[in-house]
Amino acid sequence: GQQLNQSPQSMFIQEGEDVSMNCTSSSIFNTWLWYKQDPGEGPVLLIALYKAGELTSNGRLTAQFGITRKDSFLNISASIPSDVGIYFCAGHNYNTDKLIFGTGTRLQVFP
Amino acid sequence: EAGVTQSPTHLIKTRGQQATLRCSPISGHTSVYWYQQALGLGLQFLLWYDEGEERNRGNFPPRFSGRQFPNYSSELNVNALELEDSALYLCASSWGGAFLFGPGTRLTVT
Repeated sequence: GQQLNQSPQSMFIQEGEDVSMNCTSSSIFNTWLWYKQDPGEGPVLLIALYKAGELTSNGRLTAQFGITRKDSFLNISASIPSDVGIYFCAGHNYNTDKLIFGTGTRLQVFP
Repeated sequence: EAGVTQSPTHLIKTRGQQATLRCSPISGHTSVYWYQQALGLGLQFLLWYDEGEERNRGNFPPRFSGRQFPNYSSELNVNALELEDSALYLCASSWGGAFLFGPGTRLTVT
């Protein structure tokens, strides 16, 4: 199935460090979404982006919708142990109404 | 407001059997989306239902099917189960382009 390119695949960082991950696509999207998933649970929506160039924050999280509409990034500042999990980007196309997911970034935070 | 709900939480079936998974969207949402997530992998789009109709399906064989009821809840049926169907099945509903997921059903095929 179709998936977006997400990097890095995994990150091992120390508590307090900042984190950055990004997603790229060959197709343009109308909406970019960022999710966090804990093992065995459903993804939880972190940030939704609706306009090219949009920069949105949610607490320590900041995400941007790329100008080309083909990419997005997520930053986490001052990481804490509960940030551990898998982060997925997802792009939504209004025409097909499909939500296509990235390959995921596994984040480990060490105290 | 209740979120997306799914049942059962876990389901264990043997190869060749049929599985039925259920989902209720957020109140007021008319669309339901089904995704499959095999262990350690990403989410793959399965099916999209809106207003009782199947609107789109992903690259899955016809033995994956479903329906949407008048109250917008949905069923996913998987016939002739194969070992590789073991996965977390996630349901989502959408409002304004923001997809909200349920907790999932873990299907194990032995």
